[in-house]
Amino acid sequence: EDKVVQSPLSLVVHEGDTVTLNCSYEVTNFRSLLWYKQEKKAPTFLFMLTSSGIEKKSGRLSSILDKKELFSILNITATQTGDSAIYLCAVSDYKLSFGAGTTVTVRA
Amino acid sequence: GAVVSQHPSWVICKSGTSVKIECRSLDFQATTMFWYRQFPKQSLMLMATSNEGSKATYEQGVEKDKFLINHASLTLSTLTVTSAHPEDSSFYICSARNYLGQGMSSGNTIYFGEGSWLTVV
Repeated sequence: EDKVVQSPLSLVVHEGDTVTLNCSYEVTNFRSLLWYKQEKKAPTFLFMLTSSGIEKKSGRLSSILDKKELFSILNITATQTGDSAIYLCAVSDYKLSFGAGTTVTVRA
Repeated sequence: GAVVSQHPSWVICKSGTSVKIECRSLDFQATTMFWYRQFPKQSLMLMATSNEGSKATYEQGVEKDKFLINHASLTLSTLTVTSAHPEDSSFYICSARNYLGQGMSSGNTIYFGEGSWLTVV
């Protein structure tokens, strides 16, 4: 059975801090790892990672995948209150298997 | 704009009644759609995989007679919660896979609907 584990489950930071979110996985037929941000409704796509060691960046967010050690990290630098959300990691073989998510709270 | 539309966004129904939720792909043909359920403060749990023109594949522990899935066309899948009970109250989300398996500019090949809040009273 596919398994996706995220850590920490939650964290609280102050504006300007940097956060690092972890995602480890075990899947039978790995295709890609995806990061999503979920606020009030459906998740919104952040990154899709398929190759090890290639960092993907979007503004203050960045992510990287290690297919040997089977994990990915998502970094958020200079956090803002608008970054408060649940961050979901999902691994795709044919379907998406989601982790439990990390709840990030950014305080002003 | 949204490429997968889900309707209704929220619905309240009486216990014992049935509720239908629609999921439409707007800009592409989706041979495969996925239905998820999310309870408060929990992750998305895959309920079933819906394949156009064939029976849905249900995940372990999901009652197929209770959660009826129909994927009658390449752009529409429906989830019907039959004989709904308060414990079925949840957030239901669909996602659709692009027919060609190719992503758009974002590189994402799976697109989510906006989700449907179901409250059974």
